[in-house]
Amino acid sequence: DSGVTQTPKHLITATGQRVTLRCSPRSGDLSVYWYQQSLDQGLQFLIQYYNGEERAKGNILERFSAQQFPDLHSELNLSSLELGDSALYFCASSVGGLGVRSTEAFFGQGTRLTVV
Amino acid sequence: KNQVEQSPQSLIILEGKNCTLQCNYTVSPFSNLRWYKQDTGRGPVSLTIMTFSENTKSNGRYTATLDADTKQSSLHITASQLSDSASYICVVSARGGSGYALNFGKGTSLLVTP
Repeated sequence: DSGVTQTPKHLITATGQRVTLRCSPRSGDLSVYWYQQSLDQGLQFLIQYYNGEERAKGNILERFSAQQFPDLHSELNLSSLELGDSALYFCASSVGGLGVRSTEAFFGQGTRLTVV
Repeated sequence: KNQVEQSPQSLIILEGKNCTLQCNYTVSPFSNLRWYKQDTGRGPVSLTIMTFSENTKSNGRYTATLDADTKQSSLHITASQLSDSASYICVVSARGGSGYALNFGKGTSLLVTP
């Protein structure tokens, strides 16, 4: 158990709908990262938050947004869903920035999103 | 273009044998390199992390090497076990800026057979 909790574990929804994925980081971790892993792709970085503020953006679509709340949990909002959005969405957390030598990143078990 | 390339894409070995996985990267400026093990449908778990000055790092039967000059890393698995069957992902972190987004390879899928 990494200490990172993601809910729900599975989500099935129709095209055009909107969903929210939730991530609770490990206790004490200030950074939260969101990744997308499609069937034939590696992990794709979406966005990072550090202590409530957006820190870095990757290949995140405009239909997607995220935020980190004062209690440090984070939500990833996916709207106007398309079939191609079906994927595993992982959240990871770390104490600080991942360039720090001693910083470790811990991943949650992921949310499997299926768009039908 | 992916800045982290891994090879082979997939590998099948017999239980008890050794194997080596490769990772080449172009990420710059380099901060650190990590190897993760990802079981199917689960989140990645860190095996090793190496900074610029570290050439070798071991974690049990896993030994990672790093050549920062040639921008290459390898993960050597000794005396493989069935439980080693997983995807092994190389992740390179770039230094600088306000963010530390990780650059992921697509992984090597390893199958260890009896």
